[in-house]
Amino acid sequence: AQTVTQSQPEMSVQEAETVTLSCTYDTSESDYYLFWYKQPPSRQMILVIRQEAYKQQNATENRFSVNFQKAAKSFSLKISDSQLGDAAMYFCAYRSLLGGNKLVFGAGTILRVKS
Amino acid sequence: DTEVTQTPKHLVMGMTNKKSLKCEQHMGHRAMYWYKQKAKKPPELMFVYSYEKLSINESVPSRFSPECPNSSLLNLHLHALQPEDSALYLCASSQVWAGGNNEQFFGPGTRLTVL
Repeated sequence: AQTVTQSQPEMSVQEAETVTLSCTYDTSESDYYLFWYKQPPSRQMILVIRQEAYKQQNATENRFSVNFQKAAKSFSLKISDSQLGDAAMYFCAYRSLLGGNKLVFGAGTILRVKS
Repeated sequence: DTEVTQTPKHLVMGMTNKKSLKCEQHMGHRAMYWYKQKAKKPPELMFVYSYEKLSINESVPSRFSPECPNSSLLNLHLHALQPEDSALYLCASSQVWAGGNNEQFFGPGTRLTVL
């Protein structure tokens, strides 16, 4: 079974600075999807960024980018120019291409943004 | 319209009450999900409906009873709940259950308190 580990329960960043959230995973599969979800205190979970394992190029969405190291099974999220609205719980998630659309979540990282 | 709506936002119920949670999407998605989320924890999958049929039941106690009356609507019927069932209940939907680049869209959740 796949597992996802987020080793940082909480992180803090100063507004306008850059922060990196860590995620590692364990799988024996070669093709899969990885995701970062953001859940602000208002609760709605939204997708921040996704990465297909067969793509070597790291995904980027505006100020959000990932460092995907397939051999190391590492999938970190970099947030540049941090904003107050980035404060949230961030979940890393894994999805196998086999079977259905079941997400395996990490424990989450609370990101605090200081003004 | 990329929205999943959930009602009510908050629900307080006694252990002998019967209540229902409602989830709706109009994106034409054919897979719908119920998750339970405890504070500062990742969501835990409860049920998956695919084409209005129950595909996955993650060994959820029978006091939770899901229903999918049509492709846009998902209900969760609650009866004889325990205080430990107090949590945020999230609904999600995706185009289909299996295959493809299949983002799950989450609703804002229902905050349930069982007294």
